[in-house]
Parts: sequence; C-alpha cells; structure tokens
Amino acid sequence: DTGVSQNPRHKITKRGQNVTFRCDPISEHNRLYWYRQTLGQGPEFLTYFQNEAQLEKSRLLSDRFSAERPKGSFSTLEIQRTEQGDSAMYLCASSLGDGKSTDTQYFGPGTRLTVL
Amino acid sequence: AQKITQTQPGMFVQEKEAVTLDCTYDTSDPSYGLFWYKQPSSGEMIFLIYQGSYDQQNATEGRYSLNFQKARKSANLVISASQLGDSAMYFCAMRGNTNAGKSTFGDGTTLTVKP
Repeated sequence: DTGVSQNPRHKITKRGQNVTFRCDPISEHNRLYWYRQTLGQGPEFLTYFQNEAQLEKSRLLSDRFSAERPKGSFSTLEIQRTEQGDSAMYLCASSLGDGKSTDTQYFGPGTRLTVL
Repeated sequence: AQKITQTQPGMFVQEKEAVTLDCTYDTSDPSYGLFWYKQPSSGEMIFLIYQGSYDQQNATEGRYSLNFQKARKSANLVISASQLGDSAMYFCAMRGNTNAGKSTFGDGTTLTVKP
C-alpha cells in the first residue's frame, strides 16, 4: 500500500505527559499537512511542510505543539504537557505540492488521542 | 478568509436513489479549488472529487458529480444510485491559490443509506 500512513492509530495518555505521532506521506509527495479533528466537526488546519521547510502554522498550534519533517520525508507531531482539550483525531495528509489549488490532499487514517 | 458551510447535519436516502449534499462557500480568492471527502466510521478521509473555480464543466467521478454554481457560491455533491457503503460523513473543503497550503473544511453531513 503506497498511501499515507500514521502511527500509532490510537494513543491514550495521562494529562501532563508528552506524546509523539508519526506520519509517512506518499513517496513522491513534497507537501505534508497536519490537521486536528474533534467530534462532530471538520478537520482544522494545524501546519504544513514543503519538503523539510515548515511554511505555515495555525494559531491552533500552541507552544506545546511542535512538528518536524527532517529530510523532507516522514513527519512527527509532538504535544508536550498534554491537556484534556488535546483529545482529538490528528490527521496527516500529503500532496504533490505544485502550489496550485488543484493540488489534492490525500489523508492518512489518523491518530486518535485520548487524554485522561 | 475562507469559509465552508454545510447546512445538513444529517441526511437519509433510500438505497439506489440519488442524493444531493449541500455546500456553500465564501472566499475572496479569485482562483480556488473545491473538494469533497468521505469519512467512514473508520476515520480515514477519502478524496472523492475536485472542481476548479475556472472549470467550465461540472466535475464527475463515477457515481459522484459536483453541481457547481459559481455565482451562488455553491458546490453540491450529487451521489447517484446510493449504496449501503455510501453511509458515512461527507466533508466539503476548499483551497485558494493565494494560500494553497491549507484547506478549509465544513462541519460535514452524515449520510445514512437505508436498505
């Protein structure tokens, strides 16, 4: 399967702990995106990368959140000192990255985070 | 700023019938793309169909078609010959050329196909 993959699929953690999620994009895709989705709502943009460069971060991405994409391949999203409000589905997507509105984003299966 | 509005929280359709899911949008970007995604209960967002703002014809992809009315800023998804496997959450999204990094999503419509 050459789609977007995410690990882990589920994560349960206690408040105050740090968590890290990984996303592996489709191999030829230059852009990688992170979204957060809470129950009953659509995905909300968090950040995106063009190769290894992080080009935009949402205001939703507080200081406790950090994302990296070393070498422009896989990406990690780390949440420090988790809070119950961080409980959500974290979705990763990738696209070819031609910079046009036609550039379709393909999503991974998501990581569901539960903070107790 | 971009905004997507999906006014139907839930829809029901009889198997083998057609159904239209509504989407209206707002943007100041002269060039943009509109997308529809399907999200089954498993959680993965599946890309269905794309419409460009300058495309002259409505997009079609198998049983999916997009009823694009630019003047009304609407991009409704039409699913023909509904199947039980079409039961899922459907999201409308858009992206403008001036900020082609992020997509803006609506809050979705839950479609239930009845046998």
